Amino acid sequence: NAGVTQTPKFQVLKTGQSMTLQCAQDMNHEYMSWYRQDPGMGLRLIHYSVGAGITDQGEVPNGYNVSRSTTEDFPLRLLSAAPSQTSVYFCASSQREGGDTQYFGPGTRLTVL
Amino acid sequence: ILNVEQSPQSLHVQEGDSTNFTCSFPSSNFYALHWYRWETAKSPEALFVMTLNGDEKKKGRISATLNTKEGYSYLYIKGSQPEDSATYLCAFVMNSGYSTLTFGKGTMLLVSP
Repeated sequence: NAGVTQTPKFQVLKTGQSMTLQCAQDMNHEYMSWYRQDPGMGLRLIHYSVGAGITDQGEVPNGYNVSRSTTEDFPLRLLSAAPSQTSVYFCASSQREGGDTQYFGPGTRLTVL
Repeated sequence: ILNVEQSPQSLHVQEGDSTNFTCSFPSSNFYALHWYRWETAKSPEALFVMTLNGDEKKKGRISATLNTKEGYSYLYIKGSQPEDSATYLCAFVMNSGYSTLTFGKGTMLLVSP
């Protein structure tokens, strides 16, 4: 099992560019989520999905888009990158929401110039 | 936005010291409380998921207790070792809708040899 994988590990964008952060898991987990980690802020939930075809917003969804067409994949799209989106992004998955252990990917460090 | 507080913010102890941290969370609509260990440049790893008032969990030298009525959980590390140096995160899950995790900002532990 690879667990939760994320690509790329590092990315530098210019303001206004768009890109997709990839997240995949091979544990057949229903629940997947995206967090961003900023200094002094802890992990904040961006979007989450409770199964293929079902997504919802978390605490800080603005500027991000998600879709869940398969159980395995949960990409995060930045529509028009802004310097405020400079952060470390973690994808996580669990068997079900809330009461189950979350398994985190290795993270993507994004810098927006 | 739910208020999940962790204290202290950081802690520096000597090898062999025992230590404890606190996670405070809302005392209503409790569903679960998670603890994660997060080493620098890695991704968070699960320690415990606690769901019942009075729960006590143990993994090696690390243990945790839960009081849902008063809204707090303690994490204890007995005989700290340098390899225990990490940030320890708690996450509260409320019993409503899709049960998402709200993370505290973490307690950063440094154990000196």
